[in-house]
Amino acid sequence: DIQMTQSPSSLSASVGDRVTIACRPSHSVGSFLNWYQQKPGKAPNLLISGASSLQSGVPPRFSGSGSETDFTLTISSLQPEDFATYYCQQSYTFPYTFGQGTRLEIK
Amino acid sequence: QVQLQESGPGLVKPSQTLSLTCTVSGGSISSGGYFYWSWIRQHPGKGLEWIGYVYYSGSTYYNPSLKTRVSISVDTSKNQFSLRLSSVTAADTAMYYCARGRDSGYDRWFDPWGQGTLVTVSS
Repeated sequence: DIQMTQSPSSLSASVGDRVTIACRPSHSVGSFLNWYQQKPGKAPNLLISGASSLQSGVPPRFSGSGSETDFTLTISSLQPEDFATYYCQQSYTFPYTFGQGTRLEIK
Repeated sequence: QVQLQESGPGLVKPSQTLSLTCTVSGGSISSGGYFYWSWIRQHPGKGLEWIGYVYYSGSTYYNPSLKTRVSISVDTSKNQFSLRLSSVTAADTAMYYCARGRDSGYDRWFDPWGQGTLVTVSS
């Protein structure tokens, strides 16, 4: 299985900050990398697919980049509703696997 | 828009079989094409684990870590798909989500997801 490592595991930031979350697969996944946002008590919500394609309705302050074994999710200017847990997921090969999550908290 | 809703017992005894159903609304599970139907679980306070998928035709693929205990089936007449996990233990206590998967060859993701249902394994 491809292991997905996210860093940091948790992050404290303030409204308006620029935040970057890293995701590193144990093997190359090409561009088959998705990002999800999960709020407490809710299901994950797809933000970005194919490493950098923003899903419809997702604010443009979210962006994704990277390929192979090095990916990042960037939030350009944090808003109160962005405080949540973020997961990366590889869809390159089965079994699809997820990162352990990055919890983004209010400073 | 497509919506998914999980249903099933919230409490299962050890060694028994966990059974959940996901009802799809706002679209046909038989639409086929690039869509398939998955189960994903999340242990309390932990990350996400993909369990497996079923295609509208009935073809399946399971996570090897659960393959010997899991079965996913589809009922197109009811627009539902189901999960069965046998010989459960406390380690199977988790929030179980159903989700629609898409695989166009170059675009692969899970969206939307059901709200999830918590299953506790306990005597």
